[in-house]
Amino acid sequence: AQSVAQPEDQVNVAEGNPLTVKCTYSVSGNPYLFWYVQYPNRGLQFLLKYITGDNLVKGSYGFEAEFNKSQTSFHLKKPSALVSDSALYFCAVRDWRNAGNMLTFGGGTRLMVKP
Amino acid sequence: NAGVTQTPKFRVLKTGQSMTLLCAQDMNHEYMYWYRQDPGMGLRLIHYSVGEGTTAKGEVPDGYNVSRLKKQNFLLGLESAAPSQTSVYFCASSATGLINEQFFGPGTRLTVL
Repeated sequence: AQSVAQPEDQVNVAEGNPLTVKCTYSVSGNPYLFWYVQYPNRGLQFLLKYITGDNLVKGSYGFEAEFNKSQTSFHLKKPSALVSDSALYFCAVRDWRNAGNMLTFGGGTRLMVKP
Repeated sequence: NAGVTQTPKFRVLKTGQSMTLLCAQDMNHEYMYWYRQDPGMGLRLIHYSVGEGTTAKGEVPDGYNVSRLKKQNFLLGLESAAPSQTSVYFCASSATGLINEQFFGPGTRLTVL
């Protein structure tokens, strides 16, 4: 069975500083990895995905994520945080053998960016 | 292009009442999903569909039923609501192909008293 862990319930960072939101995964086959963001009272919005190839993936709003196969991690990063980045972030994994494109989500990490 | 829409946005039920949540997508996606979101637990898959007329159970299907009579619509039913079903419900859709992301609706906040 596949699983995703987001070890931090909340991450606090000052505006302008770099941010990292951590994600580790467990899957039997090759992983397809996704990051989503949820703003208050909204649905989830897709940020970026790793399918294959370059381990550094660039996505929306200046976010990027680094895939590390040996550490089974897919951490979300941004060089300079904005107050408007404050939201709930979800990591998700899909097994390449998965019929139906189902995703398994982590529990979410709340990012708080302070001015 | 509205994407994924959900009806209603909010609902309060009494224990034992029934209701249906409607999800519609205009992206011609084959796959559709229903999730529930509870604090600290992320999103958990209730049921999903890989095409018109087909449905399958997800991680937490008990107490829910679904139907996909039309490709663009995916209905989630609660036959006899329980307080444990108080949650925020999200619908999502996806094109076929493993590399495709899911697109989410705005959610329905359901409270069962």
